[in-house]
Amino acid sequence: NAGVTQTPKFQVLKTGQSMTLQCAQDMNHEYMSWYRQDPGMGLRLIHYSVGAGITDQGEVPNGYNVSRSTTEDFPLRLLSAAPSQTSVYFCASSYDRGPLYEQYFGPGTRLTVT
Amino acid sequence: AQSVAQPEDQVNVAEGNPLTVKCTYSVSGNPYLFWYVQYPNRGLQFLLKYITGDNLVKGSYGFEAEFNKSQTSFHLKKPSALVSDSALYFCAVRDLSFSGGYNKLIFGAGTRLAVHP
Repeated sequence: NAGVTQTPKFQVLKTGQSMTLQCAQDMNHEYMSWYRQDPGMGLRLIHYSVGAGITDQGEVPNGYNVSRSTTEDFPLRLLSAAPSQTSVYFCASSYDRGPLYEQYFGPGTRLTVT
Repeated sequence: AQSVAQPEDQVNVAEGNPLTVKCTYSVSGNPYLFWYVQYPNRGLQFLLKYITGDNLVKGSYGFEAEFNKSQTSFHLKKPSALVSDSALYFCAVRDLSFSGGYNKLIFGAGTRLAVHP
């Protein structure tokens, strides 16, 4: 299994540009999520999905959109990039939502917005 | 408000010595606690968790953690550190106030562990 994969690894955007961060998992996990990691802070939840066609907001959703058309894929869209969105983005998946089931993380996408 | 604190930005240990990475938490209710490790240019990897039961939890790569309810702590430990243990370690607690249908975690800021030969 490849686990959780993310593309691209690095990206530089100009303010106002849009882009999509890709995330895919091959473990048939129903639950997927996006986090952002900023220096001196823990990971913060942006959006999550409990299954294909079902998404919801996390604690920092503004400026980001998601969709989940398949179990495998969970892309994150930045509609109009802002410098405050400079961060490292991690996608995660888990088999179930309970605390017994750990989350598996992708390698991350480092995004810089100038 | 629920929170997790990792009071040390960095911990330095000599190889072969025991290591401790500290974590304290604040939740309203019984905590579900986790430790994750992040190696350079990699995603977070699960190490261990406390849900209920024995206060000493054993995890991957020889790590263990001790849950102390009275001190609201969940310190990560290893009897003998390896240079390959050098990484960024995150403590996390399940956000019991999150009403969405997801296992939302509150992460600490992370502690960088440096093990010197």
